Amino acid sequence: GESVGLHLPTLSVQEGDNSIINCAYSNSASDYFIWYKQESGKGPQFIIDIRSNMDKRQGQRVTVLLNKTVKHLSLQIAATQPGDSAVYFCAENAGGTSYGKLTFGQGTILTVHP
Amino acid sequence: DAGVIQSPRHEVTEMGQEVTLRCKPISGHDYLFWYRQTMMRGLELLIYFNNNVPIDDSGMPEDRFSAKMPNASFSTLKIQPSEPRDSAVYFCASSPFGTGQGELFFGSGTQLSVL
Repeated sequence: GESVGLHLPTLSVQEGDNSIINCAYSNSASDYFIWYKQESGKGPQFIIDIRSNMDKRQGQRVTVLLNKTVKHLSLQIAATQPGDSAVYFCAENAGGTSYGKLTFGQGTILTVHP
Repeated sequence: DAGVIQSPRHEVTEMGQEVTLRCKPISGHDYLFWYRQTMMRGLELLIYFNNNVPIDDSGMPEDRFSAKMPNASFSTLKIQPSEPRDSAVYFCASSPFGTGQGELFFGSGTQLSVL
């Protein structure tokens, strides 16, 4: 079964609003997490990453929050724009013997309405 | 840099035929990954290489699938014989490090349809 999953498969927001995309993971050994954005017809594109020794990391208009207690990851996008419309995936790396293997969640479709 | 280059972009073939997908990673990247994406199963890692050596092929579905990396600038994923359930988008990705240390750079994918 999936070790990384998303609660909400779709999210619709208005341009300018903030978006929050959630992700649950099940492997407590995971020590590295990444968010990817995938636009139609393209490969996934890196957004932001976070290590398990952190609980928050900020980028340009994006923030990733990690709650290891409940094994939850979220991606916050500030002032969402139509160009942010895409499928967003969280991914985890468990390290150790599975070093090099990223496990991806199913994805959340974000639609931004102008 | 042109990024990870995959070919062909689209492939339509008949069941039983051999299919070969190609990938050129970003120069200097020591890791190369092959992923498959379907609606049902999402993104699945098939195999990855480090310095041209296969490290983990546990995601390869069955013996019909094989992957090679003869040199640092080229890799192939072959399916022989192909079956309709192999229809998916196949992505190649490369990285300067293992995925525990940084992002993967994905190609645009090959859309495979097996009729």
